[in-house]
Amino acid sequence: DQQVKQNSPSLSVQEGRISILNCDYTNSMFDYFLWYKKYPAEGPTFLISISSIKDKNEDGRFTVFLNKSAKHLSLHIVPSQPGDSAVYFCAASRTNTGNQFYFGTGTSLTVIP
Amino acid sequence: NAGVMQNPRHLVRRRGQEARLRCSPMKGHSHVYWYRQLPEEGLKFMVYLQKENIIDESGMPKERFSAEFPKEGPSILRIQQVVRGDSAAYFCASSLTGDTEAFFGQGTRLTVV
Repeated sequence: DQQVKQNSPSLSVQEGRISILNCDYTNSMFDYFLWYKKYPAEGPTFLISISSIKDKNEDGRFTVFLNKSAKHLSLHIVPSQPGDSAVYFCAASRTNTGNQFYFGTGTSLTVIP
Repeated sequence: NAGVMQNPRHLVRRRGQEARLRCSPMKGHSHVYWYRQLPEEGLKFMVYLQKENIIDESGMPKERFSAEFPKEGPSILRIQQVVRGDSAAYFCASSLTGDTEAFFGQGTRLTVV
């Protein structure tokens, strides 16, 4: 039962352009969402998070948008850089119950120089 | 300030043997999580522990798997009588509290031959 879904397994973007990674969830009880970035043979690295009381959070080139009514979140990277090439996982949890994140299956982003 | 340390990085076991995976959380972190990533899949939550306590083990297989986080020393994920299907990357994460972002280790890649 996949409660967090990333329907695009891969995405290619030209350097300097915007990368948009999407994520959908089914559990309306989720109230904390995160994006992690993962390089091969390494553990996931925390990128950015958003609480359900917000609809947008920005950190440098990374912005996460949350649409609660649609149960959808997205990660925007602008401008995209070759070093951004990695697998991106979105994750969701219910706060106050611990970090038992539900992860999506990941989207592999390739930024073409 | 060392990050989350997992060892070994790679572990090869024959079917029927035991696998022990170790995780030292970040300094000051008392919340530990174990996740498993099967090939071509996202990360799946296994267990959430605080010092000497299992808080949530809803993601743990019912048999052969166990986890502990003693008062002193690392957290241990133990898999008894391993089978080929246990081959996966096992990631440990730690957090300061139960509702702040979790930081992941580099993972242990278990191969059962």
